[in-house]
Amino acid sequence: DTGVSQNPRHKITKRGQNVTFRCDPISEHNRLYWYRQTLGQGPEFLTYFQNEAQLEKSRLLSDRFSAERPKGSFSTLEIQRTEQGDSAMYLCASSLVWAEGYEQYFGPGTRLTVT
Amino acid sequence: GEDVEQSLFLSVREGDSSVINCTYTDSSSTYLYWYKQEPGAGLQLLTYIFSNMDMKQDQRLTVLLNKKDKHLSLRIADTQTGDSAIYFCAETAYGTASKLTFGTGTRLQVTL
Repeated sequence: DTGVSQNPRHKITKRGQNVTFRCDPISEHNRLYWYRQTLGQGPEFLTYFQNEAQLEKSRLLSDRFSAERPKGSFSTLEIQRTEQGDSAMYLCASSLVWAEGYEQYFGPGTRLTVT
Repeated sequence: GEDVEQSLFLSVREGDSSVINCTYTDSSSTYLYWYKQEPGAGLQLLTYIFSNMDMKQDQRLTVLLNKKDKHLSLRIADTQTGDSAIYFCAETAYGTASKLTFGTGTRLQVTL
């Protein structure tokens, strides 16, 4: 069990560019979540998948954001036309839907800086 | 809607006990969690408690839940410098066990 991995760990981009982040969950986990964390705040939920299906999206997820989990394994989060307000840590987590405590395990995050 | 609140900062001396508090508003919360975050890192799950429990102990960690007052606490016994971090409580709503709602985090500083 190698844990949740995220790539890249850091991304610096210019305003208006598109960026894509990848998350690889713990191998047997069927749920995958995306959160965003800004400085001094707790993580905020963006969206989650169960297998390939995207089951819930937050109002925070504007139409510039899109997430996919095409084969029910890894997921990508794309931000189009980035804005300075998108600068944040993007965290991915995974869980097993039938785990006793529905525990979510987090990756190290991707820190996005929009200049 | 859901709201989770925590105090911002706690300083304790090495070897003392730390108590980090959290209040939540969602009466339908089923599971409550404590996570630890070190600088520049992701979140490490420490422990969780189901809402029909009052207490859970796991080595140096003790979680107390007062469901009536919607108050959760995390006690760390024999606090060490390696415990210095930000601690988040989080809750998930009944029947969904999907998204977590986090507090703003409590920064624990352990002094010698």
